Amino acid sequence: ETGVTQSPTHLIKTRGQQVTLRCSSQSGHNTVSWYQQALGQGPQFIFQYYREEENGRGNFPPRFSGLQFPNYSSELNVNALELDDSALYLCASSIGHSPYEQYFGPGTRLTVT
Amino acid sequence: AQSVTQPDIHITVSEGASLELRCNYSYGATPYLFWYVQSPGQGLQLLLKYFSGDTLVQGIKGFEAEFKRSQSSFNLRKPSVHWSDAAEYFCAVGGIAGGTSYGKLTFGQGTILTVHP
Repeated sequence: ETGVTQSPTHLIKTRGQQVTLRCSSQSGHNTVSWYQQALGQGPQFIFQYYREEENGRGNFPPRFSGLQFPNYSSELNVNALELDDSALYLCASSIGHSPYEQYFGPGTRLTVT
Repeated sequence: AQSVTQPDIHITVSEGASLELRCNYSYGATPYLFWYVQSPGQGLQLLLKYFSGDTLVQGIKGFEAEFKRSQSSFNLRKPSVHWSDAAEYFCAVGGIAGGTSYGKLTFGQGTILTVHP
């Protein structure tokens, strides 16, 4: 149990729709990273937020966006969903000065039909 | 760009046998190195990490890994596998301090471990 929670657990959306995934970090963790894990693949870094500002982004288009809130929660928003967006989305929380002490949540399984 | 290769997609071992999972990385310098385990329906759990120093690192659940700079490898080992070790294992690299990828993990494709009784 890492203390990092994600909601919902599963989600089914239609191509073209928008989706919001939520993550609740451990208390005091001011950094959150989001990863996309397609079936049979390793997680891919989407972006990272530190103290509510984006702090690095992977090779994902702008329709992937995020927010981080002062209460250690965060959101991943995906607009104009595509079939290839079907994946497990993981968030990981950490403290800024120890970025590799990352605690992963169980993930949200998104299916786009 | 940094990258990680796990050559074995699926490995099957008998309970009690030894295990070695391979990992090779590509990076401009010596990155930070990690092994994670993922059980079905679970998030990623850190098994061990290497930042510097002794090239043989010990982790949780009896796992160890050895960093070999000359081979750009960071292989995971366990002397005696238990049925509960069946899971998917991911090797990852992290950018070093001062670099643009500091704090971000790049994962390999994963190796699925099956344990036979």
